[in-house]
Amino acid sequence: ELKVEQNPLFLSMQEGKNYTIYCNYSTTSDRLYWYRQDPGKSLESLFVLLSNGAVKQEGRLMASLDTKARLSTLHITAAVHDLSATYFCAVVSNFGNEKLTFGTGTRLTIIP
Amino acid sequence: GAVVSQHPSWVICKSGTSVKIECRSLDFQATTMFWYRQFPKQSLMLMATSNEGSKATYEQGVEKDKFLINHASLTLSTLTVTSAHPEDSSFYICSARARDPRVQPQHFGDGTRLSIL
Repeated sequence: ELKVEQNPLFLSMQEGKNYTIYCNYSTTSDRLYWYRQDPGKSLESLFVLLSNGAVKQEGRLMASLDTKARLSTLHITAAVHDLSATYFCAVVSNFGNEKLTFGTGTRLTIIP
Repeated sequence: GAVVSQHPSWVICKSGTSVKIECRSLDFQATTMFWYRQFPKQSLMLMATSNEGSKATYEQGVEKDKFLINHASLTLSTLTVTSAHPEDSSFYICSARARDPRVQPQHFGDGTRLSIL
């Protein structure tokens, strides 16, 4: 059974600081996705990582994938308050129907 | 714009009521849809995979007789929570398998917040 774990679960950081969220998964997969969820809302797609070594950047967020280590990272640079949200990674666990297994989530709070 | 529409957004009802949630793909045919449940401060847990024209596949621990799923057309899947009780209160999210997984694997609805009194 595929397990997807994120660290940390909760993160409170000051504006302007950098930090990295980690996503580990237990079985082989070469496709990993990052999502953002605001309170009371559904998921917003952030990044699609399709191969080993993939790196994507959008604004102050950068995501990478190491399929050999079964690890993805989401790096936050010079955090701003608008980035406060819960971030989920998700791994495709069934390539036939694109079934996803979600990580535990990281609740990020940026303090002014 | 939204490619998956979920309705209603929020529903509050008394214990024992059955509640139906609709999930529609707006501009594409979705042969596979997914239903998730999310409790406060927790991750999304897949409840079932809904395939058009066939029975849904339920995840372990999900009661198929309580959570009825119907995928009668290529654009509509419904989830009915039968005889709902307070412990069924949760945020329910549907998604539809996307045409191109290289862009994203699933298109997500906006979710339905279900509160059972």
